[in-house]
Amino acid sequence: DTAVSQTPKYLVTQMGNDKSIKCEQNLGHDTMYWYKQDSKKFLKIMFSYNNKELIINETVPNRFSPKSPDKAHLNLHINSLELGDSAVYFCASSPATYVGYTFGSGTRLTVV
Amino acid sequence: SQQGEEDPQALSIQEGENATMNCSYKTSINNLQWYRQNSGRGLVHLILIRSNEREKHSGRLRVTLDTSKKSSSLLITASRAADTASYFCATVTGANNLFFGTGTRLTVIP
Repeated sequence: DTAVSQTPKYLVTQMGNDKSIKCEQNLGHDTMYWYKQDSKKFLKIMFSYNNKELIINETVPNRFSPKSPDKAHLNLHINSLELGDSAVYFCASSPATYVGYTFGSGTRLTVV
Repeated sequence: SQQGEEDPQALSIQEGENATMNCSYKTSINNLQWYRQNSGRGLVHLILIRSNEREKHSGRLRVTLDTSKKSSSLLITASRAADTASYFCATVTGANNLFFGTGTRLTVIP
């Protein structure tokens, strides 16, 4: 199936831990993104990554870092997790041109 | 912030009725997109309207765009219970980065 897939779907971890969320797309898209959706359903862009170049980083703490081993993957690494990091994180991808994004199904991160 | 606002925040209608959701944004845009999010799921792209377009149709969906008022509306005709979801507008400015609105929670009662 052509899709954006992210793992894990659920992640429960303690404060201070380091965790990663993986994302893969097999659509051949040029750009991948990470979004954070908070408890009020607000969606905020975190990173945009095009051909191994970070395009945008919207006031995201440097504890968050995207890692792209190749064009089809954009993983999200989070260091020293805090309670406020609890949210649903969505990966997405898009072609180079102005068309819609394809989103993954999300990773619900809970920091306890 | 480039994030838009949607109105209403929540909408409840009977099956078969039409649902209208509005979106306002703050900056000049390249295009505006609408997405649907079912509970606990990812977002699904519904329709894209470019800044030089005023109206667009896709099945039971009709989107309008008024760039002078920086607003857009999404009309779902003949709603079905399966249309129950949250609907988000999102704007694209220079780079192809989506900035989402606050969302409208639509409930269609069978």
